[in-house]
Amino acid sequence: GAVVSQHPSRVICKSGTSVKIECRSLDFQATTMFWYRQFPKKSLMLMATSNEGSKATYEQGVEKDKFLINHASLTLSTLTVTSAHPEDSSFYICSARDAGGANTGELFFGEGSRLTVL
Amino acid sequence: GESVGLHLPTLSVQEGDNSIINCAYSNSASDYFIWYKQESGKGPQFIIDIRSNMDKRQGQRVTVLLNKTVKHLSLQIAATQPGDSAVYFCAESPEDSSYKLIFGSGTRLLVRP
Repeated sequence: GAVVSQHPSRVICKSGTSVKIECRSLDFQATTMFWYRQFPKKSLMLMATSNEGSKATYEQGVEKDKFLINHASLTLSTLTVTSAHPEDSSFYICSARDAGGANTGELFFGEGSRLTVL
Repeated sequence: GESVGLHLPTLSVQEGDNSIINCAYSNSASDYFIWYKQESGKGPQFIIDIRSNMDKRQGQRVTVLLNKTVKHLSLQIAATQPGDSAVYFCAESPEDSSYKLIFGSGTRLLVRP
């Protein structure tokens, strides 16, 4: 099946630094990717929709200047947490929509990236 | 039994029994629904999906039931196994949302050996 890879899987950073998380579709093209955030023992909360070649669409309450999203190619979207603070510590998960082929329209999830801000 | 509050609702079942996990969705215009399984520290894993023009769909050991009248979705797992222990989420896709998914609150399934 289709694979979505996230990197890094775990990252620890100091407060005030910026952290970039990558989401790659390994064997399919994804014109649309989604970024989710998950707190412990909670559900996934959609943060934004990442569109290849255009600006991301953010959900209500999500600061676009805080969570920068770039979808520069059909296989890569990045989420940058700027000036991270301890409250940004969370599990970030991406999903990618297969734009064509046998799995058209299906969504595939990455394994998540755990961010810990000290 | 079930527990509510600060923790995820939990369903505890004996190995070999059938499990039923329930979900209430919010948007009557949603036309696509998916059940996901999430193990600790991992991303969601697709289990089964159903479109709003159906009320039942079966997979291998799993069945999803959709009741649009009361906006209710359920996942039935037959002959539950220890490997089924995980958190289960339902997700809905609002109509014309370009596959954007809104996740439910989740249920933890514990399988007793």
